[in-house]
Amino acid sequence: AQKITQTQPGMFVQEKEAVTLDCTYDTSDPSYGLFWYKQPSSGEMIFLIYQGSYDQQNATEGRYSLNFQKARKSANLVISASQLGDSAMYFCAMKYGDMRFGAGTRLTVKP
Amino acid sequence: EAGVAQSPRYKIIEKRQSVAFWCNPISGHATLYWYQQILGQGPKLLIQFQNNGVVDDSQLPKDRFSAERLKGVDSTLKIQPAKLEDSAVYLCASSRWGPSQETQYFGPGTRLLVL
Repeated sequence: AQKITQTQPGMFVQEKEAVTLDCTYDTSDPSYGLFWYKQPSSGEMIFLIYQGSYDQQNATEGRYSLNFQKARKSANLVISASQLGDSAMYFCAMKYGDMRFGAGTRLTVKP
Repeated sequence: EAGVAQSPRYKIIEKRQSVAFWCNPISGHATLYWYQQILGQGPKLLIQFQNNGVVDDSQLPKDRFSAERLKGVDSTLKIQPAKLEDSAVYLCASSRWGPSQETQYFGPGTRLLVL
């Protein structure tokens, strides 16, 4: 069965510094997609970045990059140059068939 | 391009009452999803539609939850009768096709409180 694990309930980072949010997953299927979403206090899930299981290169989207280590089954999100507006819940998700989400990490950016 | 629309944004009801949520997906998106997000947890899929057909409703509590997408566009999720444990945010999402590893775009959600 698919499983997504985010081991960091909460993280703090200083403004303008980089931060890594951890995500590990478990699946026996070779084809799957990995996603990161941001959920501000307003509640909407905002898509950040996607990595396909067959993609050779790590995905990047602006200040977001995904550190994909397939053999270790990890898909960590790296946010560079943190901003105050980055404070939110961050969810890792995996899609094979249906989409399964981790429990989330609350990121707080300090000024 | 307009995003996923949901209404109402907030709803407070008493247990055993019924409630309905509405979702309008992004124009042209064939696949629509309803998720339940309990406080402190990640979203959990309730039901997935491809056009007006159900693809997956394995986690939908069918004794009290129902959903429809009659014309393959907007969708309604109903709870009848509601229980205290149904208090959650109900998120609607859509994607262009669905079965592939495709990005889902979410609406703002409906926050339900059952008293």
